[in-house]
Amino acid sequence: EVQLVESGGGLVQPGRSLSLSCTASGFTFDDYTMHWVRQLPGRGLEWVSGITSNSGAIAYADFVKGRFIISRDNAKNSLYLHITRLRPEDTAFYYCAKARRVEGVRWALFDSWGHGTLVTVSS
Amino acid sequence: EIVLTQSPGTLSLSPGERATLSCRASLSIRNSYLAWYQQKPGQAPRLLIYGASSRATGIPDRFSGSGSGTDFTLTISRLEPEDFAVYYCQQYDSSPLTFGGGTKVEI
Repeated sequence: EVQLVESGGGLVQPGRSLSLSCTASGFTFDDYTMHWVRQLPGRGLEWVSGITSNSGAIAYADFVKGRFIISRDNAKNSLYLHITRLRPEDTAFYYCAKARRVEGVRWALFDSWGHGTLVTVSS
Repeated sequence: EIVLTQSPGTLSLSPGERATLSCRASLSIRNSYLAWYQQKPGQAPRLLIYGASSRATGIPDRFSGSGSGTDFTLTISRLEPEDFAVYYCQQYDSSPLTFGGGTKVEI
């Protein structure tokens, strides 16, 4: 069974940095592209970033504007998101999601999700 | 960026009724690269449909997807109590990946 467990969320002051982690199990982690998706409180879903299996390709949503860095450590079955210069509008649940393979498509859809970690940006 | 618009925002129905949810794209989506997810309160989203019409593993056949180009539909043939939730569409034709704003199916 695929399991994705996020951690690292919490209350952070504006302008500070935070690192989120996602530990994966139940599948061959280094075979799959992984993503971060966020959900603002009471709002819809918003794709944040994706990284291919060998970290050879990375993509970000436009709103990231150089403040987020996605990375992974396949030896540790772990995905990371480092967020700098946090803003109140970054307050959200951050989900780690496993990509479903689609022939010829680098950034596709999400077939498994973690339960999310809440980041609250407030002074 | 492909913008997805879901309608209606809220659908008020009773168990046993049929639900029809719409997702309209601002640009034509190639190869029906569209997925649907279900999200219940306090839970992560769950993949229901991919490729516009293929059910994900373990999804009951009362859920069906259809459409192509810019117009897509998720149909729940007979609502069960556990189907009352929020449903999102998502396109994976191009980056950035985008979601619709969601349709809440309520009793």
